[in-house]
Amino acid sequence: DIQMTQSPSSLSASVGESVTITCRASQDIGTYLAWYQQKPGKAPKTLIYDASSLKSGVPSKFSGSGSGTDFTLTIRSLQPEDSATYYCQQYNSYPRTFGQGTKVENK
Amino acid sequence: EVQVLESGGGLVQPGGSLRLSCTVSRVDFRYFAMTWIRQAPGKGLEWVSVISGSGDSTFYEDSVEGRFTISRDNSKNTLYLQMNSLRGDDTAIYYCARESPDLDYWGQGTLVTVSS
Repeated sequence: DIQMTQSPSSLSASVGESVTITCRASQDIGTYLAWYQQKPGKAPKTLIYDASSLKSGVPSKFSGSGSGTDFTLTIRSLQPEDSATYYCQQYNSYPRTFGQGTKVENK
Repeated sequence: EVQVLESGGGLVQPGGSLRLSCTVSRVDFRYFAMTWIRQAPGKGLEWVSVISGSGDSTFYEDSVEGRFTISRDNSKNTLYLQMNSLRGDDTAIYYCARESPDLDYWGQGTLVTVSS
């Protein structure tokens, strides 16, 4: 099984700052990676698919990059509504696997 | 707007069984793989199982293999998860989602609690 490791597990940033979350796969997954945002009590929502493609309707402040084993999600100009937990997920092979999540909070 | 609605959760004793259902509307259900994902209280997302659009192919996470069975009825736009030999660590919110290949449409989840 492919292991997905996210870092950091949590972060706190001020409004207007940019934040970056990293996700590392235990083997090459090409660009078969998605990023999800989950707010408390809600189902996750796709932000990025194919490592760097922005899902329709998602603000361009979210961006993804990477290929192979190393990936990043960047949130530009953090706002209070961006407080959430973010997960990466590989869909290169079954079983699909998620990272453990990164909780983003406003300072 | 695609709608996804899970049902069937509840309280069950260890060793018991439960069947979850997930109905999907306003989409060509039969063309897409469907997935179950779960989230234990206060924990992260865990992928559980997937079934192909035709129902011919299934995969399971190791800890549920042999205990859970995923199936679908394309005539009813419904996905199922039969859960047997339930354990305490199966307690979670269970979500179904369409795989395309990211998980683009999710239900609101149904809570399964395994406890005596």
